[in-house]
Amino acid sequence: DTEVTQTPKHLVMGMTNKKSLKCEQHMGHRAMYWYKQKAKKPPELMFVYSYEKLSINESVPSRFSPECPNSSLLNLHLHALQPEDSALYLCASSQEQLSKPQHFGDGTRLSIL
Amino acid sequence: QKEVEQNSGPLSVPEGAIASLNCTYSDRGSQSFFWYRQYSGKSPELIMSIYSNGDKEDGRFTAQLNKASQYVSLLIRDSQPSDSATYLCAVNMPDRDDKIIFGKGTRLHILP
Repeated sequence: DTEVTQTPKHLVMGMTNKKSLKCEQHMGHRAMYWYKQKAKKPPELMFVYSYEKLSINESVPSRFSPECPNSSLLNLHLHALQPEDSALYLCASSQEQLSKPQHFGDGTRLSIL
Repeated sequence: QKEVEQNSGPLSVPEGAIASLNCTYSDRGSQSFFWYRQYSGKSPELIMSIYSNGDKEDGRFTAQLNKASQYVSLLIRDSQPSDSATYLCAVNMPDRDDKIIFGKGTRLHILP
């Protein structure tokens, strides 16, 4: 069982919808991450939160909006997505930012119609 | 040179043999090295971390690091069909804000 929990596991949405992906960890980690992964590609970093503050935004389009309500929770708000945004969205956490091992959740498989 | 390079495979290894997966990286300042296993349709699972030159063993897995050659490898002894997966090498890159950069992964197929 993973210690990083992501919901929902699957999400289908239209291009005009607004939805949110959620991630929770109870390992006391202070860094949390969002990655996007397309089929047969490695994970691509999107955002990094360190001590609940956004520390890295990898030039992600504004239709993706991250939020870190507290040290255990990470959200990714989605609005007006495009079909090419269909992918596996992975949340990860680590003890401190970067350099430390990251532990991934099971991911949310997102399909944009 | 790409930042983290892996042979994409597939690498086919008979059951019971040793599987050897290789990774090279570009940043001489890198200090943290990770191997993840990813089954098809699943998320990456951390299987090894290594920070110092030499070998690190954990069960059937051995990670080997040679910073002078900028090379890290993963050996899987007594390979099992359940080891069939994509193995991702990940390295911190101090010249890129210390971000962890993933290689494209090597697909490993264990032949029963």
